[in-house]
Amino acid sequence: QSALTQPASVSGSPGQSITISCTGTRSDVGNYNLVSWYQQHPGKAPKLMIYEVNKRPSGVSNRFSGSKSGNTASLTISGLQAEDEADYYCCSYAGSSTWVFGGGTKVTVL
Amino acid sequence: EVQLVESGGGLVQPGGSLKLSCAASGFTFSDSGVHWVRQASGKGLEWIGRIRSKPNTYATTYIESVNGRFTISRDDSKNTAFLQMTSLKTEDTAIYYCTRHGSDYYDSGFDIWGQGTMVIVSS
Repeated sequence: QSALTQPASVSGSPGQSITISCTGTRSDVGNYNLVSWYQQHPGKAPKLMIYEVNKRPSGVSNRFSGSKSGNTASLTISGLQAEDEADYYCCSYAGSSTWVFGGGTKVTVL
Repeated sequence: EVQLVESGGGLVQPGGSLKLSCAASGFTFSDSGVHWVRQASGKGLEWIGRIRSKPNTYATTYIESVNGRFTISRDDSKNTAFLQMTSLKTEDTAIYYCTRHGSDYYDSGFDIWGQGTMVIVSS
């Protein structure tokens, strides 16, 4: 069970849109619509931003959206804001009652 | 307030043992599966295991690297889950978080997280 692959860093200017990819395999991302995304600010616990590929929990801004194609899931942040600067992690169900996270992506707001 | 609070972290020598606790409040703990996730310093999140609810026979699953060394249990009467760690290795050094899915029957994301407890394995 290997970690999902995410870019180490993504950056954008305020107001722009950015997309973070999360690549897995046919055994995890490609086989289940059970991808979630988490935002983590330094020294804080992760926060759920997206679940079941594209659903937003109550209270999460609609600037955050998720999608999936094949073995790759994506998180898009539109209208980038300074407070979006954080680490982002994807997570997928991997079968046999196990889950796997991505390596994380540092988002920088320029 | 809906929350999870971990405790029990600390410094332990390689080969030693440690038991972490995860106390829940503000929701029906007995209905929830409880997961443990760890994060080494400067590194990413790593899912390490889960315990399901009583209707699901308290079933547990673990990642391979901790299977046989770590044991997750729970006491629903105390709204608390536990992570018993034995034969600890230096690579187990991390912040340990407990978290949950909103339902024990489907994956709706890990919606509640504790603040984490630090475990340092060093001689």
